[in-house]
Amino acid sequence: EAQVTQNPRYLITVTGKKLTVTCSQNMNHEYMSWYRQDPGLGLRQIYYSMNVEVTDKGDVPEGYKVSRKEKRNFPLILESPSPNQTSLYFCASSRRQGSSYEQYFGPGTRLTVT
Amino acid sequence: AQSVTQLGSHVSVSEGALVLLRCNYSSSVPPYLFWYVQYPNQGLQLLLKYTSAATLVKGINGFEAEFKKSETSFHLTKPSAHMSDAAEYFCAVSTSLDSGGGADGLTFGKGTHLIIQP
Repeated sequence: EAQVTQNPRYLITVTGKKLTVTCSQNMNHEYMSWYRQDPGLGLRQIYYSMNVEVTDKGDVPEGYKVSRKEKRNFPLILESPSPNQTSLYFCASSRRQGSSYEQYFGPGTRLTVT
Repeated sequence: AQSVTQLGSHVSVSEGALVLLRCNYSSSVPPYLFWYVQYPNQGLQLLLKYTSAATLVKGINGFEAEFKKSETSFHLTKPSAHMSDAAEYFCAVSTSLDSGGGADGLTFGKGTHLIIQP
C-alpha cells in the first residue's frame, strides 16, 4: 500500500531534550516536506526537499533541522525543543503530475513540549 | 508570492442544506488550487484540485469547486450536507513549475471548520 508513515504519532517531551520525528514514504517520490498545524493558523511549511541531499527552508524553519540521506526518508530534528514547538506535524511526499506536484500526507505527529 | 484566505473559521449548516466554503487566493503566476479535508484525528485527504483544465472541478464525496479568475476565488460547494461532512477544510495554492513557480510546496489557508446541524 502506497503511504507516508510518521513515527511517533504522539510524543510528550521536555524543553531542551533533542528529538527526531521520522518520515518515510514507499512511493519513490523525489519531493518531501514537513508542515506544522496550529489552531487558527492552518498548515505552514517548515522545510522541504527536492531530492536526496537537497533541502531548503519553508516558511517557519527556525528551531528545526532536516536531512535527506535516502530518497524514502526525511526526518525532522528538534535539537532543543521549546514549548512554542508544541504542534501537530505532518510529513508529505509528492510526485510530479504535469506541471504541478500532487502531495500525499502522513497521519501526523502530535508533539507536546513542556 | 502566494497566499490563501478562507472566509469564516467556522461554518454551520443544517443536514441537507447547501454547503459553501469560501476561498480567495493571491498569486503572481497562474495558480494551482486544492481543497483538502481533515477528519478528527486524521491526516489530510485531497478533495479536489484545479490545474488549469476545466474551471468547474468535481471531487470526492459530492464536492465541487469553481475557479473564477476574475474574482480570484475557488469556493467549495456541496448541494446537500451530510453529517459525515463535519470536518476541517483547507484551501491551498501552489504555482505551476512551467510558469516559473517554485516547487516549494503548498500555501494553505487557515482552515474552515464545517459543523453540520441535525
